[in-house]
Amino acid sequence: AQSVTQPDIHITVSEGASLELRCNYSYGATPYLFWYVQSPGQGLQLLLKYFSGDTLVQGIKGFEAEFKRSQSSFNLRKPSVHWSDAAEYFCAVGALSEGAQKLVFGQGTRLTINP
Amino acid sequence: KAGVTQTPRYLIKTRGQQVTLSCSPISGHRSVSWYQQTPGQGLQFLFEYFSETQRNKGNFPGRFSGRQFSNSRSEMNVSTLELGDSALYLCASTGGANGYTFGSGTRLTVV
Repeated sequence: AQSVTQPDIHITVSEGASLELRCNYSYGATPYLFWYVQSPGQGLQLLLKYFSGDTLVQGIKGFEAEFKRSQSSFNLRKPSVHWSDAAEYFCAVGALSEGAQKLVFGQGTRLTINP
Repeated sequence: KAGVTQTPRYLIKTRGQQVTLSCSPISGHRSVSWYQQTPGQGLQFLFEYFSETQRNKGNFPGRFSGRQFSNSRSEMNVSTLELGDSALYLCASTGGANGYTFGSGTRLTVV
């Protein structure tokens, strides 16, 4: 069965500092991987996705993630965070083949930015 | 291109009542899926519809049901509401290379 683990429930970083959010997945085949961001009371906004190909994926808002099959990881990074990055971040693994369309989410990591 | 539209945004219901939530996917998207988000359980998959057929269902009781219309709009229904059904219900439409696009959700409060 698919599963996703985000080991860090809450992370605090200073504005301008670098950021890495961890994500480990369990899936029997080549995974489709996603990172979403959610502001309070809002829906989920897609930051980036990995389907195949280059393992370093660029997303919106200056985020990137690297798919490492050997470590079953898909960590999200940003070189310099801004106060507006404060939100909750969700990693998800999905199956996009016919007949099996669903996402399995991690528990989320809440990001706080110190001024 | 318009995004995924969910209505209503907020809803307050009493225990024992039923509720219907609506989701209009992105034009041209034929797959719609529903998720429940609660502080305790996180984001959990409810069901997925494609061309008016339910293809996948999560581990929820039969009080949770859904359907999809020929124009791809989807509704989900929860009958005999319980306090634990209070949650943010998110709808996602799927099509093309972008994967899942989510709506802003419907916040359901059961009192």
